[in-house]
This record gives sequence, C-alpha cells and structure tokens, in this order.
Amino acid sequence: GQSLEQPSEVTAVEGAIVQINCTYQTSGFYGLSWYQQHDGGAPTFLSYNALDGLEETGRFSSFLSRSDSYGYLLLQELQMKDSASYFCAVMNTGFQKLVFGTGTRLLVSP
Amino acid sequence: DVKVTQSSRYLVKRTGEKVFLECVQDMDHENMFWYRQDPGLGLRLIYFSYDVKMKEKGDIPEGYSVSREKKERFSLILESASTNQTSMYLCASSPLQGQGVTGELFFGEGSRLTVL
Repeated sequence: GQSLEQPSEVTAVEGAIVQINCTYQTSGFYGLSWYQQHDGGAPTFLSYNALDGLEETGRFSSFLSRSDSYGYLLLQELQMKDSASYFCAVMNTGFQKLVFGTGTRLLVSP
Repeated sequence: DVKVTQSSRYLVKRTGEKVFLECVQDMDHENMFWYRQDPGLGLRLIYFSYDVKMKEKGDIPEGYSVSREKKERFSLILESASTNQTSMYLCASSPLQGQGVTGELFFGEGSRLTVL
C-alpha cells in the first residue's frame, strides 16, 4: 500500500517561518511534490524534489530525505495570502502520476 | 500559460442519472488525470490516460469510466450517479515523463457535483 502523513492544521503569524512535514510509505519512489490550494481554487504546483536535499524557490523551500521517507515544505516571511491548504504528493510510478496526502491547512494571522 | 478547462463548475444531478464531466487542455500534454477531492481525504486518483484511447485505473475507479478520443479532451463518466459521488472533481494534465519529470500537474478549476 501507500500512504502519506502530514499535519491537518498549522497556525502561524505574519512574518514567521513555518514547516509542514510529510512522511510517506510507497512502493517505488520517483519524487515528492508540493501543491498549494486556496479555498475554492485549483491546486497549484510549488516544488518537486527527486534527490535528497533542499530546493529553494523564493520564500518557499522544500526538503527531501529519501532514506527517511520524509520531506518538508518551509515557508518563510509568512504573508496573509499564504493561508491555504498545502499538499504533499508522491510520484511512485511513471506517467507523472501523483498520490496526494490529505493536506495541511495553514492559517496565517496578523 | 497552460490552461485546463472543465466544462462545468457546479452540477446538481439526481441519483441514477448519467453524468459527463468534460476536461480540455490546450498544451498538447500526453497525460491527463481525474481526481476527486473530499474534506479530510485529500485528492484521490480515479483514472488517468497517457495517450489517446489509453486509460488506466487509479485508486478509486469503481463507479466511474473515462473516455479519451482526442488528445486534448478527457471525459469522466458516472454511469449511474449515487449520493456518495457528491464531490469536487479535478482534472489535470502533464507532459510525457520523457520530456523531463517535474512532478508538476496542471489542474483545472474543478467541478463540484452534488447528487441528490
């Protein structure tokens, strides 16, 4: 089987740093993606890690440890607009087919 | 910009009706996907297609079928809608893996289906 675990909700204040963790169990592993979804909107791609280490894209960074089956999304200098749901997703076969976690709702307060 | 368009944002159907959800993408992507999204369950893959007339079952294909007659269009069909199929349905597309694995899917805005 396959499963992904991430916290259901995280709260933080503007300007802070927050880390959203994701652990996974899959048969086969190509990489780990992260998506953001605002209420009523479509999921939008944030990052993809295929190799161990940290990938940085502006205020967002994503980390992967293949040996630990673990990754995280790091959001820095939080803004109100970052309030959204964040999903980790594993690509465990070809065809870019993703298996999604249940999502983490991030609430950013002033 | 990649655009994935789903034909209906909101649908209300009755139990037993046949339902068609249409999805069109304009970036010549080979791969297309249908997910459903439910609170607390995340996105679950129903079916995907990696080429015209090709389809593969995802994790929850029961009660659904799909059609891909043209590269840009991927349809989800509920042969006989039931109340437990009330959900948000999301279509997505991506280029062929051989063109570079990016882990990126391009999603449509979703179709919220209510079955009464």
